[in-house]
Amino acid sequence: SAVISQKPSRDICQRGTSLTIQCQVDSQVTMMFWYRQQPGQSLTLIATANQGSEATYESGFVIDKFPISRPNLTFSTLTVSNMSPEDSSIYLCSVEVHYEQYFGPGTRLTVT
Amino acid sequence: EDKVVQSPLSLVVHEGDTVTLNCSYEVTNFRSLLWYKQEKKAPTFLFMLTSSGIEKKSGRLSSILDKKELFSILNITATQTGDSAVYLCAVALTLGAGGGADGLTFGKGTHLIIQP
Repeated sequence: SAVISQKPSRDICQRGTSLTIQCQVDSQVTMMFWYRQQPGQSLTLIATANQGSEATYESGFVIDKFPISRPNLTFSTLTVSNMSPEDSSIYLCSVEVHYEQYFGPGTRLTVT
Repeated sequence: EDKVVQSPLSLVVHEGDTVTLNCSYEVTNFRSLLWYKQEKKAPTFLFMLTSSGIEKKSGRLSSILDKKELFSILNITATQTGDSAVYLCAVALTLGAGGGADGLTFGKGTHLIIQP
């Protein structure tokens, strides 16, 4: 498995601002993923981040709104830009280890 | 469009009962099916299934995959109040000839409540 940490664990932000979420893994991994879980909903994949290449975004998610960095094999960031109340969600990063995906503790974002 | 459907969406049982949660899928390039337990924020990994008919077991939890009928079940025997959670089913797809995985496609989850 993998030990994954995320910062911040929660935040309350004003609309129009941006928040950067950090994800740190205790081992080197090729693939990292970012998911969003809106209130009462299941998880939706935002993008896949491989080190050394541009992130691949799912339909409905764009780089200008959710820029991702992947500077090395243990770290990634997701920025939620120009936030609106509809961005209030739990944001989770995950990694694949031996074909199994493990999740970080999540960041609970509330936009007012 | 890839689809993962879980049933029931919610279930209330009494402690000690046995429950069966269902997950069916319609996807291209199937790689594996995964089960997670979600209590607060982070989903906790339970099982990954890749082959039909081979039961995975961990304590009171077990799961099996049928790749012909495109479904999986998660069984929990002798349920306890600590089993109360949302159980998520997800499917991983294979990308290209290299076999690398894509992100997961999740079902809506089964909200399981165990009453004392």
